[in-house]
Amino acid sequence: RKEVEQDPGPFNVPEGATVAFNCTYSNSASQSFFWYRQDCRKEPKLLMSVYSSGNEDGRFTAQLNRASQYISLLIRDSKLSDSATYLCVVKSQIGGFKTIFGAGTRLFVKA
Amino acid sequence: NAGVTQTPKFQVLKTGQSMTLQCAQDMNHNSMYWYRQDPGMGLRLIYYSASEGTTDKGEVPNGYNVSRLNKREFSLRLESAAPSQTSVYFCASSTWTGGTQQETQYFGPGTRLLVL
Repeated sequence: RKEVEQDPGPFNVPEGATVAFNCTYSNSASQSFFWYRQDCRKEPKLLMSVYSSGNEDGRFTAQLNRASQYISLLIRDSKLSDSATYLCVVKSQIGGFKTIFGAGTRLFVKA
Repeated sequence: NAGVTQTPKFQVLKTGQSMTLQCAQDMNHNSMYWYRQDPGMGLRLIYYSASEGTTDKGEVPNGYNVSRLNKREFSLRLESAAPSQTSVYFCASSTWTGGTQQETQYFGPGTRLLVL
């Protein structure tokens, strides 16, 4: 089992739709969680950190469920510019610190 | 403010050739990282350096060496390239100094490497 798993998609949604992605992680000792965005043939960029109480940034909401070991990203009122790959990132401490990237979920927002 | 820069952007090598990928950051970050990204695999950590003068292995270090030349620069060397090292290589930096603090990793634009 991969340490961080994501549905690769692609998710194809119309503009204005609400879409949600989940990401599961296997290490219960994981401590920090993030969502990064990666545009085609570009470098990843931090979208948002994920806090235990959940957090929101404009149209984006991130949630953490430690009991079930998953994080989620909700995008409301999707824009064409939201089309990208969304990477789930988990940081753990086991014999040193490890940052594990998921393989990503591809989103296409259509007009 | 350039952030993280990488050279070269593209490279084609023959099996057995060597090369060094260069990375520099101007954000005064303590930590620097080298990742490779392959289709369906996500980014995998090759090596990282938590501070000037220290380097540690990541998930996939075999076939690579690194040098943290100074606080700004972190290079990745392939001594004898193999087709399995065909990938996109990303350098990143962050303010992480160890411990559990939140950190943002800032990535360079990547180097696309093809080994024939």
